[in-house]
Amino acid sequence: NAGVTQTPKFQVLKTGQSMTLQCAQDMNHNSMYWYRQDPGMGLRLIYYSASEGTTDKGEVPNGYNVSRLNKREFSLRLESAAPSQTSVYFCASSVNFSKEEKLFFGSGTQLSVL
Amino acid sequence: GENVEQHPSTLSVQEGDSAVIKCTYSDSASNYFPWYKQELGKRPQLIIDIRSNVGEKKDQRIAVTLNKTAKHFSLHITETQPEDSAVYFCAATGYGGSQGNLIFGKGTKLSVKP
Repeated sequence: NAGVTQTPKFQVLKTGQSMTLQCAQDMNHNSMYWYRQDPGMGLRLIYYSASEGTTDKGEVPNGYNVSRLNKREFSLRLESAAPSQTSVYFCASSVNFSKEEKLFFGSGTQLSVL
Repeated sequence: GENVEQHPSTLSVQEGDSAVIKCTYSDSASNYFPWYKQELGKRPQLIIDIRSNVGEKKDQRIAVTLNKTAKHFSLHITETQPEDSAVYFCAATGYGGSQGNLIFGKGTKLSVKP
């Protein structure tokens, strides 16, 4: 099993450009999440999908959209990138959305917006 | 909503010494408290967790204690080794609003000097 796979690993965008971060898991997990990690700020939840067909906002959703394409895949889209979105993005999954579940993280995407 | 404070932000110890990282949380409804370890350039990984019906949990050199009355929990690492050097994040379940599941502390960078 590959676990949680994210693409791309690195990306540089210009202000105003759009892009989609891809995430896939092969563990048959029901719940998937997108976090961003900034220096000194820890991990902050952007959006999550408790189960296939549902998505909900997390702590910092502004400027992002998500799509739960199927049970395996959960994408994060930046419609008009801003320098404030420069960050490391982690996708994660868990068996269920019970709030007491172990999170399995992907390897991260380092995004720079110039 | 839930707020998790983590201290210290950096911690340096000699190999073989003990390390203690402390977290406080604000939501008395929180009942699950995991700790994640993130090595440089790697993904966060769960190392230990504790639920509110337990006061202490140990796993080899790692232990976590929980004081629900005071709303704080701590990570204890004994006989530290250089491979324990990493950033450690505590987290607590968040309820209400748009916070999703886990609320993370801002992290503690632990350096173990040989």
